[in-house]
Amino acid sequence: SQTIHQWPATLVQPVGSPLSLECTVEGTSNPNLYWYRQAAGRGLQLLFYSVGIGQISSEVPQNLSASRPQDRQFILSSKKLLLSDSGFYLCAWSVLAGGPGELFFGEGSRLTVL
Amino acid sequence: KNQVEQSPQSLIILEGKNCTLQCNYTVSPFSNLRWYKQDTGRGPVSLTIMTFSENTKSNGRYTATLDADTKQSSLHITASQLSDSASYICVVSAINNNDMRFGAGTRLTVKP
Repeated sequence: SQTIHQWPATLVQPVGSPLSLECTVEGTSNPNLYWYRQAAGRGLQLLFYSVGIGQISSEVPQNLSASRPQDRQFILSSKKLLLSDSGFYLCAWSVLAGGPGELFFGEGSRLTVL
Repeated sequence: KNQVEQSPQSLIILEGKNCTLQCNYTVSPFSNLRWYKQDTGRGPVSLTIMTFSENTKSNGRYTATLDADTKQSSLHITASQLSDSASYICVVSAINNNDMRFGAGTRLTVKP
């Protein structure tokens, strides 16, 4: 069966510090991978998605970047965090077979920037 | 512009009661609509998926409906339980692209 792991679960970082959130998927090959951010009381905002190794699409201009060094590994990074980067970050995967497929989400990472 | 609007924003009901959550969308061309349940501090989990030709689909005490003409969907929860307390998110996908639009969710609280 497929599983998705995301860490760390919670993170408190000072403004200006770097960030690295990691996500790995097991039990599937060549998944589509996504990073979402969820602000309180608002819908999920797609930050990045990837259809393959080294292929990253950015949905919104921001202080964050993403990388996919391996087929089932997706990393969200920042060189210098801003207060506005605080939020709940979710990694997800799907298999694109003829259309948008079901998203399978990780457990999320709560980031607080102070 | 492709949008997904959910109502109500929040809802409080007593254990054992029924409730209905609404989702209106303007996503086009329509591919499918999914309802997700998100427990506090966790990732969302899919409950149901509705395609263009489906009007009703059930998953245990959850029943989703879809009216593709009016672009409306509802999620009906029967005989609510305390464990139903969560956010319910409507996600609508368009055909032939990787575009999934998320509603802001309805926060349901079931009280004893």
